[in-house]
Amino acid sequence: QVQLRQSGPGLVKPSQTLSLTCAISGDSVSSNSAAWHWIRQSPSRGLEWLGRTYYRSKWYRDYAVSVKSRITINPDTSKNQFSLQVNSVTPEDTAVFYCARVSSSGALDVWGQGTTVTVSS
Amino acid sequence: QSVVTQPPSASGTPGQRVTISCSGSSSNIGRNTVNWYQQLPGTAPKLLIYSNNQRPSGVPDRFSGSKSGTSASLAISGLQSEDETDYYCAAWDDSLKGWVFGGGTKLTVL
Repeated sequence: QVQLRQSGPGLVKPSQTLSLTCAISGDSVSSNSAAWHWIRQSPSRGLEWLGRTYYRSKWYRDYAVSVKSRITINPDTSKNQFSLQVNSVTPEDTAVFYCARVSSSGALDVWGQGTTVTVSS
Repeated sequence: QSVVTQPPSASGTPGQRVTISCSGSSSNIGRNTVNWYQQLPGTAPKLLIYSNNQRPSGVPDRFSGSKSGTSASLAISGLQSEDETDYYCAAWDDSLKGWVFGGGTKLTVL
């Protein structure tokens, strides 16, 4: 059974960098048939896709236009996990962040437990 | 404003059949399959329907999905009190090159 376990701070100061990690069990971040995504949810924005990384003979990364200039998603094959970094955060980045997998179903079928991140001084 | 539109609320009585609609465009629902999620308070969304009308293992057959053109629907038959929660549709958008989600529908069981 595939599980995603998120970790990272729940409070980040404005202008600083938000960093979260998603540890994978039961699958591989290097899988040729999966992709690894980050999504956030807030009352004002609803569910918002942030980006993904996946391996198909080489690593690919795609980011949402709304955050493309501030976001980085990286795989870590040594720990079988992937990470999210959002730079220069503002209070508008306050949200519940989720990692998730897309597999052969073509859907976001496995989700992490969610991490509430508050941007505040 | 969500790229994909859902009604903010829906309701029904126990045993009734209810449907939740999801309207998109040619770049998302019109070209790609639709997935539906159920989200209980304080938890992550759970995949309910994928590829328009497929149920993952463990999802009761009371839940069904359909798609026509740039719209999709989730139907719940034999409504139960435990179905009272939020539902979201999602599809890949070829223009935005990312997942787009509906704004969510809060289902109330009267």
